[in-house]
Amino acid sequence: QKEVEQNSGPLSVPEGAIASLNCTYSDRGSQSFFWYRQYSGKSPELIMFIYSNGDKEDGRFTAQLNKASQYVSLLIRDSQPSDSATYLCAVLGSARQLTFGSGTQLTVLP
Amino acid sequence: DTEVTQTPKHLVMGMTNKKSLKCEQHMGHRAMYWYKQKAKKPPELMFVYSYEKLSINESVPSRFSPECPNSSLLNLHLHALQPEDSALYLCASSQRLAGGPDTQYFGPGTRLTVL
Repeated sequence: QKEVEQNSGPLSVPEGAIASLNCTYSDRGSQSFFWYRQYSGKSPELIMFIYSNGDKEDGRFTAQLNKASQYVSLLIRDSQPSDSATYLCAVLGSARQLTFGSGTQLTVLP
Repeated sequence: DTEVTQTPKHLVMGMTNKKSLKCEQHMGHRAMYWYKQKAKKPPELMFVYSYEKLSINESVPSRFSPECPNSSLLNLHLHALQPEDSALYLCASSQRLAGGPDTQYFGPGTRLTVL
């Protein structure tokens, strides 16, 4: 079992729709959870982090964390073509090392 | 300011060359990281420096040699690389406070090609 798993994608949504990206993790001692966006050929860019159960909103982005289910998600509302990228879920585990999921490639269709 | 800088942006080297990658941050972060990323894969951790001491070396071949001259600078010395070492090399930094999210911020990366 991979330590951090993401829905494999690729995921395509029409412009203006909600994109939903999901991630599960195996280390119950994990403390913090991050979503990075990576455009092709570029480096990962932090979108959000979350460390408490529940929702955290920042503009069009909402991160959701459920530690009991070991599940974290990212919702992108009013998706734009500029949101087309690979989204990496990353988990700070009990050893305080960041473990990445394999990424979900999102395409927003105009 | 959440900027991490890396030089060079691109590097092409032969298998017998010696080169170095450089990373710098001025955020007062006390941890710095080297990652390697191959196409369509997530970043793989190579090294972690915490308070200027090497704390993690993820079984990286000795042809990669990290160096942390001070809390703001991180180098990766390259020698006798193989073509399969061609990748995007990413530097990151974080505050490394006890507790807290310890958010890592990435530099733009160095695209390395080994011929």
